[in-house]
Amino acid sequence: DAKTTQPPSMDCAEGRAANLPCNHSTISGNEYVYWYRQIHSQGPQYIIHGLKNNETNEMASLIITEDRKSSTLILPHATLRDTAVYYCIVRKGQNFVFGPGTRLSVLP
Amino acid sequence: GAVVSQHPSRVICKSGTSVKIECRSLDFQATTMFWYRQFPKQSLMLMATSNEGSKATYEQGVEKDKFLINHASLTLSTLTVTSAHPEDSSFYICSALITGPGELFFGEGSRLTVL
Repeated sequence: DAKTTQPPSMDCAEGRAANLPCNHSTISGNEYVYWYRQIHSQGPQYIIHGLKNNETNEMASLIITEDRKSSTLILPHATLRDTAVYYCIVRKGQNFVFGPGTRLSVLP
Repeated sequence: GAVVSQHPSRVICKSGTSVKIECRSLDFQATTMFWYRQFPKQSLMLMATSNEGSKATYEQGVEKDKFLINHASLTLSTLTVTSAHPEDSSFYICSALITGPGELFFGEGSRLTVL
């Protein structure tokens, strides 16, 4: 399975865009990139996923580089409630393997 | 999004007893469900993959006789921690997969404390 690399932690000012990077240099052509987040003591929450095109929904945007070796999750206007651990996952078949993620702290 | 419900959310039990945790997909059918465990300040670790009507597939190092998984219907999977010990205390999380290149939805998690 393709491995992902994320920075362990990031800070973001409230109201500003939060850009969370993820490297997945060994990704295969049929593997999707998924993003989840986990707020303390809760189950992970689905955010967005994509294959090769950029995606946007009501929560976030996902930008995938043309070579698909990295991606960026963008929260356009971060709020205090966006403080969480964000996981970037490369999915192959049924496998969703969680790495350590990025702990995002949104600061007032 | 789809809803996955876990019950109980918290359970405290004595060492040596067995505990059952239920995972239900409320508004969709899930042929595949997953069970994870999570220790404090760590990421989720996949324990097993549960397929409806067949035996679960366990990850390496997970004792299948200790963590019994049953997926008897398309909306319910159960995890039974048998003869629980304090080291089994953890946050157990289930998830259900929408088939195809769809999302994996997670339950709220169940915090098990074994005294």
